[in-house]
Amino acid sequence: KQEVTQIPAALSVPEGENLVLNCSFTDSAIYNLQWFRQDPGKGLTSLLLIQSSQREQTSGRLNASLDKSSGRSTLYIAASQPGDSATYLCAVLGNQFYFGTGTSLTVIP
Amino acid sequence: DAGVTQSPTHLIKTRGQQVTLRCSPISGHKSVSWYQQVLGQGPQFIFQYYEKEERGRGNFPDRFSARQFPNYSSELNVNALLLGDSALYLCASSLGRVPTDTQYFGPGTRLTVL
Repeated sequence: KQEVTQIPAALSVPEGENLVLNCSFTDSAIYNLQWFRQDPGKGLTSLLLIQSSQREQTSGRLNASLDKSSGRSTLYIAASQPGDSATYLCAVLGNQFYFGTGTSLTVIP
Repeated sequence: DAGVTQSPTHLIKTRGQQVTLRCSPISGHKSVSWYQQVLGQGPQFIFQYYEKEERGRGNFPDRFSARQFPNYSSELNVNALLLGDSALYLCASSLGRVPTDTQYFGPGTRLTVL
């Protein structure tokens, strides 16, 4: 069974700092990997989707990488802002979606 | 265009009762998936429906059932509610059945079982 782990569970950084969130998965037989943002008590907002044949995707200040062979993905957030404060979830798609438990990010003004 | 919508927003039930949650996908999307998110955890896959047929099922008991209607909207039913069913129930829609399609999530239904 696929297992998805996100480290760290929580992160607090000052505004303007660049940061990296980590996601690891145990089964490399995936179709794609998706990063989501979740605000407290709310649904999920898709940030980036990386197909299994791709190595990275970029959207604005966000860059996600995928290394299928090592079972790792990173989400890089440049010049963090207080509005980036949320929980970030990664999910891998195999026979179904498997989610990590998320990283709770707080950006301090 | 409207995103994925879910109703109700919040729901309070007692143990043993039954509940029905509803989801309307993005216009043109034919696939709907349901997830359960317990506080502090990532979402857990419950069902996927495509063209009104069940295409995938997670590790949930038979108390959980779902269906998809001709207009691609969907209902999730949970019978004999337990305290552990308290969670945020998320619905996601995607364009087709292809696994590589991006999933778009609704705001969720918060179910509290007392």
